[in-house]
Amino acid sequence: DAKTTQPNSMESNEEEPVHLPCNHSTISGTDYIHWYRQLPSQGPEYVIHGLTSNVNNRMASLAIAEDRKSSTLILHRATLRDAAVYYCILSKDRGSTLGRLYFGRGTQLTVWP
Amino acid sequence: NAGVTQTPKFQVLKTGQSMTLQCAQDMNHEYMSWYRQDPGMGLRLIHYSVGAGITDQGEVPNGYNVSRSTTEDFPLRLLSAAPSQTSVYFCASSRGQGTSEQFFGPGTRLTVL
Repeated sequence: DAKTTQPNSMESNEEEPVHLPCNHSTISGTDYIHWYRQLPSQGPEYVIHGLTSNVNNRMASLAIAEDRKSSTLILHRATLRDAAVYYCILSKDRGSTLGRLYFGRGTQLTVWP
Repeated sequence: NAGVTQTPKFQVLKTGQSMTLQCAQDMNHEYMSWYRQDPGMGLRLIHYSVGAGITDQGEVPNGYNVSRSTTEDFPLRLLSAAPSQTSVYFCASSRGQGTSEQFFGPGTRLTVL
């Protein structure tokens, strides 16, 4: 299974944009890029996912490189509630690993007031 | 909708005891899974199910049993608890496709003495 590489930690000030990078150089054509986040003492929650095109939703934007070997999760205005561990995950749409998520250690985002 | 519920929230066991962690979802999701999260680590997949009557192993299945007799419920059984099974356990559900958002429960914190 293709793996992802993320920085261990990042910091941001409140109300500033945050760009969380993820490298996935061995991504295959059928791998979707998912982002989940985990707030302290909670289960992970879905943030966004995409395949090739950039994606936007109410929580964040996902920018995918043209060669798909990297992606960036963009939080447009960080709030204190965005302090969490962010996981970049590859998941196949079909086949034996259907729907299975492989979590790494993620990026711990600290937001300063 | 209650979403994904897990009971109990906390549990302390002695080595060798058995117990069942309960997981239920009210979203009529076909896909359910169990993860464990050790301190400072990402989540690891224990077992998953793609529908009632169908289960399969994940990355770390040893010492755990599952069954799926209904769409709603997916209990995880610890056969003979060991200190190495001290962890936080998360249950998740989704519609089933690899691109589907997975919904996670609040977790069960298990300590094995």
